[in-house]
Amino acid sequence: EVQLVESGGGLVQPGGSLRLSCAASGFTFSSYWMHWVRQAPGKGLVWVSRIDSDGSTTIYADSVKGRFTISRDNAKNTLYLQMNSLRAEDTAVYYCVRGSLYTFDYWGQGTLVTVSS
Amino acid sequence: QSALTQPRSVSGSPGQSVTISCTGTSSDVGGYKYVSWYQQHPGKAPKLMIYDVSKRPSGVPDRFSGSKSGNTASLTISGLQAEDEADYYCCSYAGTYTWVFGGGTKLTVL
Repeated sequence: EVQLVESGGGLVQPGGSLRLSCAASGFTFSSYWMHWVRQAPGKGLVWVSRIDSDGSTTIYADSVKGRFTISRDNAKNTLYLQMNSLRAEDTAVYYCVRGSLYTFDYWGQGTLVTVSS
Repeated sequence: QSALTQPRSVSGSPGQSVTISCTGTSSDVGGYKYVSWYQQHPGKAPKLMIYDVSKRPSGVPDRFSGSKSGNTASLTISGLQAEDEADYYCCSYAGTYTWVFGGGTKLTVL
């Protein structure tokens, strides 16, 4: 059974940093693209970032480019999202998502990030 | 990228059919065959319902179907059931390994 378990969310002040983790199991992690998708409270889904299977290529939404860094450790079956210079508008539930070619086929339960003073 | 356009809400009675539209541009919906649809119940993670415009993952009832014409994709749910009440999001590949979602549609089963 595919499982994606996010951790690392919490309350952080504007301008602060946070690192999210996603532990993957039930599939060959190193064979799949992985993504982060976020959802602000009461709002819709927004794609944030994608990393290819070996971690060599990363892409970001314009809203987080230069502030967020996606990475992975295939030996540990873990996906990361380093978030710096956080803003109030980054407040959201962050989902770790497995990519199957151009589709998001499995989603974690999400971790809430709140940026507030 | 701008979000894809979906109606904010749709409704239908049990047993009826509803269709949710998703309008983009030639740079996303119209340019690729990679439109997907996700169902999200309150407080839960999204679930893949349709991928590659019209394909259903294993376990998704055949009451759910997808299509596309030009820059507009559609999700049709036939034989509405109470458990179909949820938010539905479309998503399209937008080139250069980026993706764009729709704003979401709240489906109410009357």
